[in-house]
Amino acid sequence: GENVEQHPSTLSVQEGDSAVIKCTYSDSASNYFPWYKQELGKRPQLIIDIRSNVGEKKDQRIAVTLNKTAKHFSLHITETQPEDSAVYFCASHQGGKLIFGQGTELSVKP
Amino acid sequence: NAGVTQTPKFRVLKTGQSMTLLCAQDMNHEYMYWYRQDPGMGLRLIHYSVGEGTTAKGEVPDGYNVSRLKKQNFLLGLESAAPSQTSVYFCASSRTAAAQHFGDGTRLSIL
Repeated sequence: GENVEQHPSTLSVQEGDSAVIKCTYSDSASNYFPWYKQELGKRPQLIIDIRSNVGEKKDQRIAVTLNKTAKHFSLHITETQPEDSAVYFCASHQGGKLIFGQGTELSVKP
Repeated sequence: NAGVTQTPKFRVLKTGQSMTLLCAQDMNHEYMYWYRQDPGMGLRLIHYSVGEGTTAKGEVPDGYNVSRLKKQNFLLGLESAAPSQTSVYFCASSRTAAAQHFGDGTRLSIL
């Protein structure tokens, strides 16, 4: 079955710096890759997603890139702010379900 | 439009007791999912449903059962609770098996 590896597990940056989180997947048939943000004690919320026929997608300070050949995709956050502090999860879609990475705890220091 | 609603929000059980977690969605979504979330383990899929009357096993189905008798409801049952099932449980739903909408979670402790 599908396996999703996410790195790093923790990431600390200064306010205004960029943050990058990377994920790899194993099933070449996977075709949809969402990213979720989970604040402490809250539900995961979808922040951006990308389909396998697209190489990059941007939404304001957030971007996602996908390399199908290498089977990896990344989340890029620019001009980080303290409110970006949260746990971020990547996921890969296979056969009607999502397989999640282990999560990255991002801390943005003012 | 409440989205995905989970009941209860918190529960403490004794080992061996049984209980049912309820998930209700008002978005007319076909797909529904149950996850458990443990520290450092991410979100692991327990069971899911691709439509009313259907269920399927996920990554960690042992010790759990589910039912989807009505399209808007997805029930997760623990027949004989064990301390290893202490976790936060999330329900999610989606229209196209892609973007999923999550409920607020149920925090379950088993003593």
